[in-house]
Amino acid sequence: GAVVSQHPSRVICKSGTSVKIECRSLDFQATTMFWYRQFPKKSLMLMATSNEGSKATYEQGVEKDKFLINHASLTLSTLTVTSAHPEDSSFYICSAKVGGTLNEKLFFGSGTQLSVL
Amino acid sequence: GENVGLHLPTLSVQEGDNSIINCAYSNSASDYFIWYKQESGKGPQFIIDIRSNMDKRQGQRVTVLLNKTVKHLSLQIAATQPGDSAVYFCAENYPGRRALTFGSGTRLQVQP
Repeated sequence: GAVVSQHPSRVICKSGTSVKIECRSLDFQATTMFWYRQFPKKSLMLMATSNEGSKATYEQGVEKDKFLINHASLTLSTLTVTSAHPEDSSFYICSAKVGGTLNEKLFFGSGTQLSVL
Repeated sequence: GENVGLHLPTLSVQEGDNSIINCAYSNSASDYFIWYKQESGKGPQFIIDIRSNMDKRQGQRVTVLLNKTVKHLSLQIAATQPGDSAVYFCAENYPGRRALTFGSGTRLQVQP
C-alpha cells in the first residue's frame, strides 16, 4: 500500500508553545489529506480536510486559528497546534487519499502523540 | 468469537479460532466501507474495503460482509493469531461527504 510518513511520532511541549506536525506522502501525490484527532480508547475524529493549494476545510467545532493547516505541495501537509494547552494533548493522525472517486483508499500516518505540560 | 453491535467493545478469542467483528453503520446512503486495524500508539492500517454494490469480499484470512438492509458490516478473521490483537474500526463514506466517518471501534484480544 501507499506510504504516509508522519513526524514527529511523539512530542512533549510546554503550555503556550506551538507544535508543528508533518505529514508526507512518500510514493504518491496527495491532493487531499485529512487530519484526525484521537483520544484514548476513542475513535478518530476528523478535524479538517487539507487541500493542496487552497485553504483547509475545518469540521464544526474545530478552531481554525488554533489548528493551522498548510498543504503547500502534493506530498506535504502540516498541522500546527498554536499556543498549545494541556487540553490539546491527544493523538493526532494524518491520512492521504489515493486513487480516483471509484477506487479511492485512505492511508494513514503513524500518528503523533502530543503531550502539553 | 463474535461481538454484537457496539455494546461489547472488547472481543476475546482463542488463538486459532475465527473472529467476527460487527459494525452498525449510520447512513443508508453510504456506498463505501473500510475496515482498519489500529495497534497501540500507531495509525490505522487498511485491512479491506467493500463497495455497496457487493455483499461480500474476501482477502487474505479476512472477509467483509455487508448487509445494506440492516446497515450492518462485519469483519471475519480466520484462524486468529496473536498478531491480530488490536482495535478494529469500520469506516463509511457516502456521496457528498469528503471524508470517512469512523465507528467507535472494537478491541480484539487473542489469547494464546
